Amino acid sequence: AQSVAQPEDQVNVAEGNPLTVKCTYSVSGNPYLFWYVQYPNRGLQFLLKYITGDNLVKGSYGFEAEFNKSQTSFHLKKPSALVSDSALYFCAVRVNTGFQKLVFGTGTRLLVSP
Amino acid sequence: IAGITQAPTSQILAAGRRMTLRCTQDMRHNAMYWYRQDLGLGLRLIHYSNTAGTTGKGEVPDGYSVSRANTDDFPLTLASAVPSQTSVYFCASSEQTGSNQPQHFGDGTRLSIL
Repeated sequence: AQSVAQPEDQVNVAEGNPLTVKCTYSVSGNPYLFWYVQYPNRGLQFLLKYITGDNLVKGSYGFEAEFNKSQTSFHLKKPSALVSDSALYFCAVRVNTGFQKLVFGTGTRLLVSP
Repeated sequence: IAGITQAPTSQILAAGRRMTLRCTQDMRHNAMYWYRQDLGLGLRLIHYSNTAGTTGKGEVPDGYSVSRANTDDFPLTLASAVPSQTSVYFCASSEQTGSNQPQHFGDGTRLSIL
């Protein structure tokens, strides 16, 4: 089955330190990968996507993600975390079923401490 | 500000009652989606619509129906609510299905079925 996995329910990091939120995928064909962020009582907001091209994708709020085909991973990264980055992060993969179906991971809660 | 409006923001409903969740977008997007978000399960697609006048079933369509009479509106109806439908419901839109454009989400409806 085509899917994404987020192995960590929660990631804790101190403000100013680099952060990584992990995502691995399983798809047939070329993967189209997305990261979304959800703040409390809000809908998901798009951060970045990988379709093709450079393996390092830059997105909103200073986030970036590295696509690694050999490891089937698409980890979200930021060089220096902010307390305001604390939120729920979802990885998603587009599945080709005749329409743009996004399959979401179960989410990773990022907690950035002051 | 352009985006997606969902109503109500929250609702407590007795089991067996009928309920319609409203979703309106002003971005003239062709594609619209309904998801439910449950702890530990991420987001799951209930129904989608490629364009006005067409709808399709997602991963978890049972107990739900949708209609798409025009481009802007995509209501979700629970004909006879059951406790397992307690969840947070998100409406989303994108320019079209089959594209790699991100989906835009509303802020959700928190529904409790008693």
